[in-house]
Amino acid sequence: KAGVTQTPRYLIKTRGQQVTLSCSPISGHRSVSWYQQTPGQGLQFLFEYFSETQRNKGNFPGRFSGRQFSNSRSEMNVSTLELGDSALYLCASSPKSPALGGDTQYFGPGTRLTVL
Amino acid sequence: AQTVTQSQPEMSVQEAETVTLSCTYDTSESDYYLFWYKQPPSRQMILVIRQEAYKQQNATENRFSVNFQKAAKSFSLKISDSQLGDAAMYFCAYIGGMYSGGGADGLTFGKGTHLIIQP
Repeated sequence: KAGVTQTPRYLIKTRGQQVTLSCSPISGHRSVSWYQQTPGQGLQFLFEYFSETQRNKGNFPGRFSGRQFSNSRSEMNVSTLELGDSALYLCASSPKSPALGGDTQYFGPGTRLTVL
Repeated sequence: AQTVTQSQPEMSVQEAETVTLSCTYDTSESDYYLFWYKQPPSRQMILVIRQEAYKQQNATENRFSVNFQKAAKSFSLKISDSQLGDAAMYFCAYIGGMYSGGGADGLTFGKGTHLIIQP
């Protein structure tokens, strides 16, 4: 099976712009979770989508949003970019929602976002 | 909230030797899962091993094994016969099971241990 794919791999934006990142899960996986990785804060949970519904959300401002499509592909959007949003954004897929018990999450290669 | 602590920011080991990476966690739940992930310079997060809290038997995957001490809330990773390809950041992670919040906070990660393999 193909792994989790993320596009684009690299992105450079300026403050105030918005950005959309895409994640395609492993075939058959219905849950997609997003994480932000920075040197200072480490890996932090953003949100999780299952069956086109946001099931869980981490402690991030409303500028961070997402959605999931019927084919389980997910997009993450960040509006009004700030310098502190520069990070590696990782998505992970699992067969079912973590709310239903500890499926392993498989990660994509990440999108490196730089905000200037 | 659950916390995961990796007290070793960096470890170094000779090729072919054995190394143990430490991880402790704090939770009031009894239903949870623990993972070790590896992140090489490519930044791809790769699953190394998984442990279900209800299983007393320690998980093993080839050269990788864990020492899971539930009462002590300790979950260390042992890498035997270290290879150059094992060089990476290693992250310990926790997620609640279905009967304890079901991962409402996603995976909780430690800060990571940078493993260096000396040839």
